[in-house]
Amino acid sequence: DAMVIQNPRYQVTQFGKPVTLSCSQTLNHNVMYWYQQKSSQAPKLLFHYYDKDFNNEADTPDNFQSRRPNTSFCFLDIRSPGLGDAAMYLCATSLLQGAQNGYTFGSGTRLTVV
Amino acid sequence: DQQVKQNSPSLSVQEGRISILNCDYTNSMFDYFLWYKKYPAEGPTFLISISSIKDKNEDGRFTVFLNKSAKHLSLHIVPSQPGDSAVYFCAASGSFGNEKLTFGTGTRLTIIP
Repeated sequence: DAMVIQNPRYQVTQFGKPVTLSCSQTLNHNVMYWYQQKSSQAPKLLFHYYDKDFNNEADTPDNFQSRRPNTSFCFLDIRSPGLGDAAMYLCATSLLQGAQNGYTFGSGTRLTVV
Repeated sequence: DQQVKQNSPSLSVQEGRISILNCDYTNSMFDYFLWYKKYPAEGPTFLISISSIKDKNEDGRFTVFLNKSAKHLSLHIVPSQPGDSAVYFCAASGSFGNEKLTFGTGTRLTIIP
């Protein structure tokens, strides 16, 4: 089945220690998104790639970076995780930009910072 | 600034009855609205959507109503089934450079057998 896969499902990292979350897709979608969802809050868009074009949200901290080496993979790098970065991180894809094209979400990675 | 608001964090409904989940938005540039359903330890899955040119869209047991003048939409589930127990997110997007999907905080629906 074509899908969006996030690894790992659970990640524990130390305060200040760089961590990378990964997302892969078999849908051949052009757009890949990273959302952060803290407990009882709405998922918040951090950034997205349209093909190789990176689009950062204005309020995304510099501590968060992303890489998309090819169509299938996208990575979220947190350079120096703080306690406030503990959250569920959701990757999503869509064929084209715009909600009308449909978003497919992965199962998420729950990040704990100790 | 929460542009999409779901004011009820939780809702309990008896099996077989109607579930009504509500959502309000503030951005008049939104022209496409969606509901997503999320089970624990899974990502959100698309449920139903509606364009701003319509005021109702129906898909089986699920109906979404849009009131543009009130900037309000609702999701009706009838009849409610135990498998409907999940968190439901309302989301909205616009056009022409405003396509990103903006989510509400979610409503946890519990169907009581």
